[in-house]
Formats: sequence, structure tokens, C-alpha cells
Amino acid sequence: DVKVTQSSRYLVKRTGEKVFLECVQDMDHENMFWYRQDPGLGLRLIYFSYDVKMKEKGDIPEGYSVSREKKERFSLILESASTNQTSMYLCASSFFSVTSGTYEQYFGPGTRLTVT
Amino acid sequence: SQKIEQNSEALNIQEGKTATLTCNYTNYSPAYLQWYRQDPGRGPVFLLLIRENEKEKRKERLKVTFDTTLKQSLFHITASQPADSATYLCALDRSNYKLTFGKGTLLTVNP
Repeated sequence: DVKVTQSSRYLVKRTGEKVFLECVQDMDHENMFWYRQDPGLGLRLIYFSYDVKMKEKGDIPEGYSVSREKKERFSLILESASTNQTSMYLCASSFFSVTSGTYEQYFGPGTRLTVT
Repeated sequence: SQKIEQNSEALNIQEGKTATLTCNYTNYSPAYLQWYRQDPGRGPVFLLLIRENEKEKRKERLKVTFDTTLKQSLFHITASQPADSATYLCALDRSNYKLTFGKGTLLTVNP
């Protein structure tokens, strides 16, 4: 089974702090993603990476950066946390499924971040 | 801009009935559409995929239809059970890697 793990389930940080969210997948997937999920807004893509050291902005990259030094690990960085970054953060990885002929995404359990 | 809408924020049905969830999209012609299930406090889990050239796909009690003329997908759960209660998300492909997700429909199956 594919496993995507995130470093913390719950995190509380203060405004202005630098925050690191870590994600690790164990299935050698090429693609990894960071989303945030908010009530009424759904899942929104922050950043994604299609290879080591490669990254692209998603729909809402402002205030975030990412790092992918190893294939299995994708980190999300909040340079200076703000209260409007309080959210559920979900990491995902994807691979090309020969069975379905498309990419399926596998999600981690999420990190609920509160910025006070 | 591309939009994906799931018509109901919440749906309540009685156990044993068929649940039908709707996903509509605009300004887009996806090659495929995916459905995910999300339980509270957990990440979404992939359920089913349907391609643009497929009218219908089934998996156990699940059935998905895809009407590219109406720009709509319907997701059915037959003989629903309380354990089917969850939020169901539809997602469209934006590229080989990226998906756009709907906001989800919270399904509650009452015993």
C-alpha cells in the first residue's frame, strides 16, 4: 500500500514564525503536491513538484515556499506565518497507473495548523 | 476560468436508498474525472475514475456516469449504508499531474 506521511497531525505556531511541514512518501512517486483545505473553499493547490529539485507554483503560492531535495520528501515552508494561514494542509503524491491509464493521487492524513 | 461545482453541500438519505451526487464543470474539457472519499480529519482517498469516452463505470456498489455534453458527472452509491457517510469530492485533470477539486458533498446515511 502507498503510504504518505506528514510530520505532524496538529501544530500551533505564533504569527511571524517560520514553519516547516514535512511530507514523505514511500512508493517512489515522481509527483508530489501540497494543498490547503478550508471550509467552503475546498482543496486548493499551493505548490507541486514533478521531480527532485523541480517545483511549480499552484493556485495560491503566496506566503509559501517548498523544497524537494530527495524524491521521497517534499517540504512546505511558511516563511512568516500569519493567521490567515490557519488551515488543514494536505500532502499528496501521484503516479501513472497502468491500470487506469492516468495519474491517481494519494494523500497524507493532513496537518491542522493553527497560527495565533 | 475553469470551474467545478458539486451541487449539494450536504445530502441526507435513508439507509438502503441510492445516493446520487452531482459534479458539474464549465470552461473545460477534461480527459477524465475522478471521485474521492474523505472522512473527517483524514486525507481524500481515490475511489473511481471515468474517462471522457466512457459513459459509465462501476465498482461494487458505486457507479459513475460522465456526460461531456452536459459537462456533468453523477456518482451513485446503491444500497447505501451508514458507513458510506463521508464527504465525496470530484476532481478534473488539469494536466498530467494536476487536479482541480470540487468543494465536496457531505453525505449522511441515516440508519
